[in-house]
Amino acid sequence: DAMVIQNPRYQVTQFGKPVTLSCSQTLNHNVMYWYQQKSSQAPKLLFHYYDKDFNNEADTPDNFQSRRPNTSFCFLDIRSPGLGDAAMYLCATSRDQAPGNEQFFGPGTRLTVL
Amino acid sequence: KNEVEQSPQNLTAQEGEFITINCSYSVGISALHWLQQHPGGGIVSLFMLSSGKKKHGRLIATINIQEKHSSLHITASHPRDSAVYICAVRRGSGGGADGLTFGKGTHLIIQP
Repeated sequence: DAMVIQNPRYQVTQFGKPVTLSCSQTLNHNVMYWYQQKSSQAPKLLFHYYDKDFNNEADTPDNFQSRRPNTSFCFLDIRSPGLGDAAMYLCATSRDQAPGNEQFFGPGTRLTVL
Repeated sequence: KNEVEQSPQNLTAQEGEFITINCSYSVGISALHWLQQHPGGGIVSLFMLSSGKKKHGRLIATINIQEKHSSLHITASHPRDSAVYICAVRRGSGGGADGLTFGKGTHLIIQP
């Protein structure tokens, strides 16, 4: 089945140790999103790619970066994780930019920072 | 004040009851999404609306653009419907791959 896959599902890292989260999709969608969801809070958009064009939200910390080497894969890099970065990280895709396009979500990666 | 407000925040009901979850928003939108999130799980898209009403099985979603309000209804609720239901909007009226702005969610528990 076509889907959005996130690996790993659970990630534990140490304070300050770089970590990379992975998202892949078999939907051949042009747009990929990364959201951060802290405990008991709503998901918050970090950034998105439309094809190779990167769009960063104004309040996304510099500590967070992303790479999209090809249509199928998108990575979230956290350069120096702090305790406050512990959260669920959700990847989503949509076919293109039109407002009527549905977003498809992956299962998320839960990041723990020790 | 959040741009997307949901009510109630928590709802516990008995199996078989008719459930209504409300969402109000304060920005111009191009689409509104209703999403379902199970504990520890990812998010599943239930509906995407820009006008009117949609129905899928026991789920019904409505939107009133003039009033900036949407409702999600569940008929004949079942314990497997227990989840967090999230309202999310896509801002604006044109193109641009903007992400969603989410409400805080409604935590629904259906008791047998």
